[in-house]
Amino acid sequence: GAVVSQHPSWVICKSGTSVKIECRSLDFQATTMFWYRQFPKQSLMLMATSNEGSKATYEQGVEKDKFLINHASLTLSTLTVTSAHPEDSSFYICSATKGAANEKLFFGSGTQLSVL
Amino acid sequence: AQKVTQAQTEISVVEKEDVTLDCVYETRDTTYYLFWYKQPPSGELVFLIRRNSFDEQNEISGRYSWNFQKSTSSFNFTITASQVVDSAVYFCALSDRFGNEKLTFGTGTRLTIIP
Repeated sequence: GAVVSQHPSWVICKSGTSVKIECRSLDFQATTMFWYRQFPKQSLMLMATSNEGSKATYEQGVEKDKFLINHASLTLSTLTVTSAHPEDSSFYICSATKGAANEKLFFGSGTQLSVL
Repeated sequence: AQKVTQAQTEISVVEKEDVTLDCVYETRDTTYYLFWYKQPPSGELVFLIRRNSFDEQNEISGRYSWNFQKSTSSFNFTITASQVVDSAVYFCALSDRFGNEKLTFGTGTRLTIIP
């Protein structure tokens, strides 16, 4: 079964509103989670690294004030797209690691965001 | 900096044919991990394989096989006797020495199996 749960699977929102996406590790504690974005027919690009109990680390070019990441517990990281605009429409997918060396990554099922 | 190149953007083959997806990577790390993921139309990423840079043995799993050539920095993926269910986008990815950190993905290869 899925070890990383991501919700919602898809969301449609109006321009200017905020959208929250959740990423949960189901049967393990994830000290680190990663958020990726994928535009249609393109590759996955890392947006940020979410560390439990500390600030997220954003990749170059990603606006931290627009993409708020909170990793308040060892099983939950959230990505909030603030004041969403049509250009934010994309597929967002999270991954989680148990933190130990040689542990493989687990990916969520992704969230398709459409901003009207 | 790490880089993964999947030169084949789209491939179409007739069912039951064999098909090889190419992956070439660049890294300065001496220890690293290589991955292949399958992304069906539903969007989720399906883990296929994870390979340590010190393990150059080829691997076979059912109809899937992987050829890791460190000398050419390639990690190619072959599907034998392809099936329609193999139609998906396949991503090759590279991570650092810990193998569980952030991944650098290739641009993906869209594979279509024609019935």
